Amino acid sequence: QVQLQESGPGLVKTSETLSLTCSVSGDSMNNYYWNWIRQPPGKGLEWIGYIYYSGTTNYNPSLKSRVTISVDTSKNQFSLKLSSVTAADTAVYYCARLAGTLGHPEGFDPWGQGTLVTVSS
Amino acid sequence: DIQMTQSPSSLSASVGDRVTITCRASQSIVKFLNWYQRKPGKAPNLLIYTASRLQSGVPSRFSGSGSGTDFTLTISSLQPGDFATYYCQQTYSTPWTFGQGTKVEIK
Repeated sequence: QVQLQESGPGLVKTSETLSLTCSVSGDSMNNYYWNWIRQPPGKGLEWIGYIYYSGTTNYNPSLKSRVTISVDTSKNQFSLKLSSVTAADTAVYYCARLAGTLGHPEGFDPWGQGTLVTVSS
Repeated sequence: DIQMTQSPSSLSASVGDRVTITCRASQSIVKFLNWYQRKPGKAPNLLIYTASRLQSGVPSRFSGSGSGTDFTLTISSLQPGDFATYYCQQTYSTPWTFGQGTKVEIK
């Protein structure tokens, strides 16, 4: 049974870079799309982007200029970097696997438990 | 971006009630609509994918229907563990987007 776990600093200073890692256990990363999603306090869920195990990425245009997602299949991990953060980037950040394929996506399953990142000066 | 609009934003219901939540897309998403349940402090849990397919392990009292722009999640007989927030999501085109959520509370 595949499990995902986010890790990284819970507090990031304004204008700096937020960095999170998602560790995947229980299955290979091969042939799947790996996603980052966030939810600011009191707001809705926002898809940040995905990375295919081979390295192909797709980012939400609203964040594209600041986002980098990378993968290290040898460590069974993928990572998120979000630059020039502001208070608006304070959120619970989740990683998740896309079930199915891009041509026939079947939702995100499973998800990590989520990690709260607070941006403050 | 495709906008997803859920209604209602919240509802109160009793154990045993039939509950229906709707989700409308701003354009056709064919059948690429997923439903999630989220309980406080926990990650979302996939209930339904491609509009009507029940995720493995999810109780059969959950069902989904719809196509095009209008979709429905139905809980046939609400159980105590079903009090949660429900989200729809389209995976028809990126950026994949979510509805704002429907909170199901105890009456």
